[in-house]
Amino acid sequence: QSVLTQPPSVSAAPGQKVTISCSGSSSNIGNNYVSWYQQLPRTAPKLLIYENNKRPSGIPDRFSGSKSGTSATLGITGLQTGDEADYYCGTWDSSLSAGVFGGGTKLTVL
Amino acid sequence: QLQLQESGPGLVKPSETLSLTCTVSGGSISSSDYYWGWIRQPPGKGLEWIGSIYYSGSTYYNPSLKSRVTISGDTSKNQFSLKLSSVTAADTAVYYCARQFYYDGSAYSDCWGQGTLVTVSS
Repeated sequence: QSVLTQPPSVSAAPGQKVTISCSGSSSNIGNNYVSWYQQLPRTAPKLLIYENNKRPSGIPDRFSGSKSGTSATLGITGLQTGDEADYYCGTWDSSLSAGVFGGGTKLTVL
Repeated sequence: QLQLQESGPGLVKPSETLSLTCTVSGGSISSSDYYWGWIRQPPGKGLEWIGSIYYSGSTYYNPSLKSRVTISGDTSKNQFSLKLSSVTAADTAVYYCARQFYYDGSAYSDCWGQGTLVTVSS
């Protein structure tokens, strides 16, 4: 059971937009920044978004992040087949004094 | 550019200690800007944060693993290591090392190793 809650799967057609939610509590998302990771099949996770809505160099602006209260959302526009991957949210949990992740969401581009 | 590479046995017997090393190139584990840590992923499952070490030697550990985990650093070799004792089949996973940033509520891993599969089996 993950500390952060994500939907197991989402799907959308190429060119469309999709959002992935991540729900937590006041000890994690509510008082800390959220990051998002993309894990393509058989590869290591890759940082997509940090500090709620910032993109590392090289990440296209099709990827966006937002946070409200104890929830966060990853948005992906202009979906491509290459976006098919597992997506994870992560943050710090101040009560646990530890990093925590969501259970992951599998994105299917139909 | 920064690269991290995990190394260690791919097979560990139950009740023994899992030992992995992460070799860092293109950056220094002595930097005060970052932590260096470990994350694992059981086959077909999600990510689990294991713990991190700072250049000063201070550490953070996942409370669920804390009694069995030790993370240490060797600045002379620019490496950091993970030891997980008393392993069981539940510890079978791909283990990733990563550079981690923690500051003022911000926590993220911005560079990951390719990962190494460790299987616990007799």
